[in-house]
Amino acid sequence: SQQGEEDPQALSIQEGENATMNCSYKTSINNLQWYRQNSGRGLVHLILIRSNEREKHSGRLRVTLDTSKKSSSLLITASRAADTASYFCATDGRGYNKLIFGAGTRLAVHP
Amino acid sequence: DAGVTQSPTHLIKTRGQQVTLRCSPKSGHDTVSWYQQALGQGPQFIFQYYEEEERQRGNFPDRFSGHQFPNYSSELNVNALLLGDSALYLCASSWRGVGIQSTDTQYFGPGTRLTVL
Repeated sequence: SQQGEEDPQALSIQEGENATMNCSYKTSINNLQWYRQNSGRGLVHLILIRSNEREKHSGRLRVTLDTSKKSSSLLITASRAADTASYFCATDGRGYNKLIFGAGTRLAVHP
Repeated sequence: DAGVTQSPTHLIKTRGQQVTLRCSPKSGHDTVSWYQQALGQGPQFIFQYYEEEERQRGNFPDRFSGHQFPNYSSELNVNALLLGDSALYLCASSWRGVGIQSTDTQYFGPGTRLTVL
């Protein structure tokens, strides 16, 4: 079973626009991670936010975490066509690095 | 610095056969985790190896087994293949270490696409 649920399932925007993806999870966590996947290939780690953090930035990425609501959001600013991919949130299950993924958000950025 | 590598890239098998997938972790990493990703779904945790032992396991049957070698590389074996085993199999590595704070970030390989006919 999958703990995380991303919303929306699919998102289509124009280059230059911002993209926001949300993730909800069910149990308590130590950290939450966001990954990107291009065309069914391997996952690329984007950012990790710990349970005692509320916001984190990395380049054009901004991640927030609300542990009281068991939710996180990923904001990609000034999107580019190269950002077209599936984005997954993953929480650490009960154990070291036992990641539990959601079904992902498919982002399409049009030139 | 080589990242996580997996072989083969693609594999086609028939029902009932057995398959072995291979993974070499990122240099310096000692822990290997395996995930199964069905089409249109997120990855699901199969199991994790550290110090040549299976340390954690997801909700997968005993047909799925693995091994970790002294050089930290790992194999995933699946016996009696079913059509439902068709998926992308992902290997991820991280550094758990001993007596030192481990890293939480996992690095994924490109995956092996398994098709069962």
